[in-house]
Amino acid sequence: EDQVTQSPEALRLQEGESSSLNCSYTVSGLRGLFWYRQDPGKGPEFLFTLYSAGEEKEKERLKATLTKKESFLHITAPKPEDSATYLCAVQAAGAQKLVFGQGTRLTINP
Amino acid sequence: EAGVTQSPTHLIKTRGQQATLRCSPISGHTSVYWYQQALGLGLQFLLWYDEGEERNRGNFPPRFSGRQFPNYSSELNVNALELEDSALYLCASSFQTSGRIGDTQYFGPGTRLTVL
Repeated sequence: EDQVTQSPEALRLQEGESSSLNCSYTVSGLRGLFWYRQDPGKGPEFLFTLYSAGEEKEKERLKATLTKKESFLHITAPKPEDSATYLCAVQAAGAQKLVFGQGTRLTINP
Repeated sequence: EAGVTQSPTHLIKTRGQQATLRCSPISGHTSVYWYQQALGLGLQFLLWYDEGEERNRGNFPPRFSGRQFPNYSSELNVNALELEDSALYLCASSFQTSGRIGDTQYFGPGTRLTVL
C-alpha cells in the first residue's frame, strides 16, 4: 500500500532560522511527488512537482529535493508569512489519486 | 486565469439529510477529483471523474456519489448524512494524461460541511 509519512508534525522557528521538512514515502512506482502549502480553512496551494530522484526545484525561499525514498522541503531564512501546513503527496504508477501525508505545521515567529 | 471554484463555501445540514457540493475546474482541465479532509485525518481521496465518467473511487461508502457534466464541472452528493461526514471537501482538477509522469492537481478553496 502506498504510504507517506511527514516529519516533524509541527515545527516552530524564529524568523530567518533555516530548516528542512521531511517526507518519506513508499510507492509502487512513482509518477510524481507533490508539495502543497495549506493555510487554515483553505484549499492546498500547489508548490512543486518532482518526478525522479536527484531532481530539485526552487521557488523564493523554498527548495524541494527528491531521492528514491524521501523528499525534503528546505526553507531558507523564513518569514512569518511562510507559516502554514506543508503537505506532501505521491502519485503512484498507473494511478491518478494523490496519497497525502499528515502534513507539517510550520510556525515562524517574528 | 481563474482557478478551481467551489460552492457553497459553507453548508450546514442535519443527520440523515442530503448534501450537494459543486466544483468548476480550471479551464482546459478534464479531470476532477474530490477529497475529504476531516479533522485529524488528513486528505483522503474520494472520487475521480474524467470525460464525464467515474474512473476511480476511494474507500468510502456508496452514499458518496457524484457526476461530471459536459462542461467538466462536477457535483458531489452525500446521502444520509452522518455526524462523521463533517469535514472540508476539496475539489481538484488536472489535465488528464496516461503518461509515465504525474499530472499536477490544483485545488479549490473547499466546502466546509457541518452535520448537526
